[in-house]
Amino acid sequence: AQSVTQLDSQVPVFEEAPVELRCNYSSSVSVYLFWYVQYPNQGLQLLLKYLSGSTLVKGINGFEAEFNKSQTSFHLRKPSVHISDTAEYFCAVSEGSNYKLTFGKGTLLTVNP
Amino acid sequence: EPEVTQTPSHQVTQMGQEVILRCVPISNHLYFYWYRQILGQKVEFLVSFYNNEISEKSEIFDDQFSVERPDGSNFTLKIRSTKLEDSAMYFCASKAGRLAGDTGELFFGEGSRLTVL
Repeated sequence: AQSVTQLDSQVPVFEEAPVELRCNYSSSVSVYLFWYVQYPNQGLQLLLKYLSGSTLVKGINGFEAEFNKSQTSFHLRKPSVHISDTAEYFCAVSEGSNYKLTFGKGTLLTVNP
Repeated sequence: EPEVTQTPSHQVTQMGQEVILRCVPISNHLYFYWYRQILGQKVEFLVSFYNNEISEKSEIFDDQFSVERPDGSNFTLKIRSTKLEDSAMYFCASKAGRLAGDTGELFFGEGSRLTVL
């Protein structure tokens, strides 16, 4: 069975600082990987995804992530964060014919002025 | 841009009452899902639905839960007799099939917050 580990439950950073949100997964087969963002009192919005091809994927709002198969990781990065990036970020893995997503526990990114 | 819509946005109910949460998936999508998120916890898979039947369900999705796609557009989640621990945000999601330009992405609705008293 697949699982997703987000190592940090909370990450506080100052505005304009770089940030990395860590995600590791376990799966016995090829997977699709996703990062979703959830702003307060809102639904889930896709930030970026890895399906195949280049291991460095770029998403919305200046975020990017790198798929590392040997380390089974898919860490999310942004070189310079803004206060509006404050949100909960979920890493998710999809496998199998149902394409269901298994989510990590989430990382709360708080950007301070 | 097409989107998944969910109603109601918030429902308060008494323990033991039946609740129906409604979702309108994106019109040409073929795969449908329900997830839930208990306050402060992770998003958990409940059930997936494809070709007019449940394709997979989690341990959470017991006999108190059921799903229906009654009219080809709505996708409903029914909780027969609600318990306090059913209080959560429930998200509906849909995904396109391969012939309809599938990008691998699940599109989520804004969620329905259920509060059981």
